[in-house]
Amino acid sequence: KNQVEQSPQSLIILEGKNCTLQCNYTVSPFSNLRWYKQDTGRGPVSLTIMTFSENTKSNGRYTATLDADTKQSSLHITASQLSDSASYICVVRRSGGYNKLIFGAGTRLAVHP
Amino acid sequence: SQTIHQWPATLVQPVGSPLSLECTVEGTSNPNLYWYRQAAGRGLQLLFYSVGIGQISSEVPQNLSASRPQDRQFILSSKKLLLSDSGFYLCAWSVRQGERTEAFFGQGTRLTVV
Repeated sequence: KNQVEQSPQSLIILEGKNCTLQCNYTVSPFSNLRWYKQDTGRGPVSLTIMTFSENTKSNGRYTATLDADTKQSSLHITASQLSDSASYICVVRRSGGYNKLIFGAGTRLAVHP
Repeated sequence: SQTIHQWPATLVQPVGSPLSLECTVEGTSNPNLYWYRQAAGRGLQLLFYSVGIGQISSEVPQNLSASRPQDRQFILSSKKLLLSDSGFYLCAWSVRQGERTEAFFGQGTRLTVV
């Protein structure tokens, strides 16, 4: 069954600290993996996209890693800011077809001052 | 540049009433269009997708329907809403071809059926 599991479900950190969010997937055939940031009550916005051959991709203070062998990905946030408070969603695209995306339930991050 | 508009932002409807949510895309042609629903604490669930005018595919059986009367217009409808239809509805678009195509989302509609 094609699934994307994320952990932790929620996370609270202090401003300036780092954190790492995890994503495990069983989607097959695999095409690429994306991380989205979703502010409360808004649509998701893309942070990174990685294909099978890409191990690491950075976008500012966000760094995503991908291990296609173990089917795991992580999103590392450095020097967190209050504006990082949001849900972070791991999304895996199946190969072929019409852009079939499988969404994780997300990790809700709260950054406190 | 491309933009996607979705409205209304919030909606409170009584059980049994009809529903019409509209989504339009600007700045692109022949996009793939999608309707998703997001329940609290759950991942986005694909409801419908469309690869062209009048072409609608449903992912899950439900009380909702979708239509694409124009190339860049996608409408989500229901004749009679159920309590279980409450949720956060998102419209999205992507270009037609390519594995790395980005999916761009609208701002969402919070629907509460009372």
